[in-house]
Amino acid sequence: AQSVTQLGSHVSVSEGALVLLRCNYSSSVPPYLFWYVQYPNQGLQLLLKYTTGATLVKGINGFEAEFKKSETSFHLTKPSAHMSDAAEYFCAVSKGIQGAQKLVFGQGTRLTINP
Amino acid sequence: DGGITQSPKYLFRKEGQNVTLSCEQNLNHDAMYWYRQDPGQGLRLIYYSQIVNDFQKGDIAEGYSVSREKKESFPLTVTSAQKNPTAFYLCASSTIEFNQPQHFGDGTRLSIL
Repeated sequence: AQSVTQLGSHVSVSEGALVLLRCNYSSSVPPYLFWYVQYPNQGLQLLLKYTTGATLVKGINGFEAEFKKSETSFHLTKPSAHMSDAAEYFCAVSKGIQGAQKLVFGQGTRLTINP
Repeated sequence: DGGITQSPKYLFRKEGQNVTLSCEQNLNHDAMYWYRQDPGQGLRLIYYSQIVNDFQKGDIAEGYSVSREKKESFPLTVTSAQKNPTAFYLCASSTIEFNQPQHFGDGTRLSIL
């Protein structure tokens, strides 16, 4: 079975500081990993995804994530936080098969940006 | 613009009443999904469908029902058997090609009167 653990339900950083949101996964097969962002009362928007190949993945809004198989991690980072980054972030894993995919989500991390 | 439309945005249900949440997509996606979101619990899969007239239970299907009569539409009914229906419900869709991400609607917030 697959599972995702996001370390820290709330993260607070100052504007301009580094953002680091942690995600660890468990998967019996090679995982396919996603980060989504959710603004209040809205749906989820894809930030980035890892399938195969390069382990450092760049996404939208200046975010990137690095797949580390040895650590079973897929942490999300952004060098300099902006006020508009305040939102909830979800890490998700799938089996990467063809067809309808059952995504397994972490519990989410709420990011607060302090001025 | 292509996208997923969920309606209504807010919905109230009385005890013992069934309610239906609408989800329509014009992305020409084959697969559609329903998730339930509760604070601090992430998203949990209720039902999903890969093709018209076919759907499968997710992790928390009890008290819910779906239909898939058209490719574009995947309505979710929250039945009176669902004892704790208050939640934020999200619909998503995707292609069935290898490892494509899911696209989400803006959700329906269901509350009990």
